[in-house]
Amino acid sequence: SAVISQKPSRDICQRGTSLTIQCQVDSQVTMMFWYRQQPGQSLTLIATANQGSEATYESGFVIDKFPISRPNLTFSTLTVSNMSPEDSSIYLCSVPRTGTSTDTQYFGPGTRLTVL
Amino acid sequence: QKEVEQNSGPLSVPEGAIASLNCTYSDRGSQSFFWYRQYSGKSPELIMFIYSNGDKEDGRFTAQLNKASQYVSLLIRDSQPSDSATYLCAVEYMDSNYQLIWGAGTKLIIKP
Repeated sequence: SAVISQKPSRDICQRGTSLTIQCQVDSQVTMMFWYRQQPGQSLTLIATANQGSEATYESGFVIDKFPISRPNLTFSTLTVSNMSPEDSSIYLCSVPRTGTSTDTQYFGPGTRLTVL
Repeated sequence: QKEVEQNSGPLSVPEGAIASLNCTYSDRGSQSFFWYRQYSGKSPELIMFIYSNGDKEDGRFTAQLNKASQYVSLLIRDSQPSDSATYLCAVEYMDSNYQLIWGAGTKLIIKP
């Protein structure tokens, strides 16, 4: 299984600011996913980040609000821009088991974000 | 509308009993089904996946899939307090792009 780390593990931010979350994987993967999990709710896919191409965003999520970088096959960042209290959530990155197909996903430990 | 439905619970089960968790989905074309366990404050971890109709057993866990009725279930035998967690059902929907739809999860409490 892939070992995934995220930074920061948690943060408290002021509204109107931005936070960049890092996701590092111990092996090369083509696809990486970014999820949001709001308190007491399930996972919502924000976007799929493929190396060498623009991220694909799900309905309700836009690049201006959640810009994503994918500079290489082991690393990605998600920025939460111009934050509001509604952005308070856990943000998770994940990778599929085989690295390139739609399969079992391994999750990072998550970033717990609180926006005041 | 792509939906995966789970009873939010909490489902309370005595230690040593069988816990039964259910999940229904709306897309008849779905082929892959996953059960994840999420402890409070932790990220989800895979318990089981199932692709074919019928039962799939792995230790104390059994996944059951019925594509005709569009439901998938997870049975946990000899439930332990350490099984107390939220169980998430995820269904891969057949679409032009990969899409994994997640249920809201069922909170399971195993009472000693």
